[in-house]
Amino acid sequence: GAVVSQHPSWVICKSGTSVKIECRSLDFQATTMFWYRQFPKQSLMLMATSNEGSKATYEQGVEKDKFLINHASLTLSTLTVTSAHPEDSSFYICSASVRTSGSYEQYFGPGTRLTVT
Amino acid sequence: AQRVTQPEKLLSVFKGAPVELKCNYSYSGSPELFWYVQYSRQRLQLLLRHISRESIKGFTADLNKGETSFHLKKPFAQEEDSAMYYCALLINKFYFGSGTKLNVKP
Repeated sequence: GAVVSQHPSWVICKSGTSVKIECRSLDFQATTMFWYRQFPKQSLMLMATSNEGSKATYEQGVEKDKFLINHASLTLSTLTVTSAHPEDSSFYICSASVRTSGSYEQYFGPGTRLTVT
Repeated sequence: AQRVTQPEKLLSVFKGAPVELKCNYSYSGSPELFWYVQYSRQRLQLLLRHISRESIKGFTADLNKGETSFHLKKPFAQEEDSAMYYCALLINKFYFGSGTKLNVKP
């Protein structure tokens, strides 16, 4: 089956620093990847849609200069949290989308726990 | 406005009892609906989607356009069904409900 990996699985950083999270589709090519944020005991909030070779589409309220997304290849998308602050601490999840017989299938990564101190 | 509503945050049932996790959506067109499950310490994974009309792990979900619902059902819950369940609607992008935690007691 399709596998999506994320690296790192958890990271602790100091306030003001930047953190990069990688999302890879291991055995398939994904033209579209999604980045979600999940707060404790809450649902997934879509942050942005990342299309290979083009600029990401950000959801309302998500700062594109703070959450930089790059989708340089069909198997890799990165999310960089710039100048991180404690309120950015969260669980970040990526997914890769594949079109299948008229619908979409989403494969999720395991998530990255970010803690900003 | 919330596109997908899951009214129950927590649902507790005994093993062997029937279970129904509710999902209502807001969309006037033809919806594409999914149920995702997240077991403890595991990633989110697709459970089923209405377009394929399949039954996975004994779960089924019927789309009711009149009631704009896509409730997830299982006639006899098992302890291993304990997990977080998310209903999702696809309209250009995915909209997730807030999730229901299912706890199946022995």
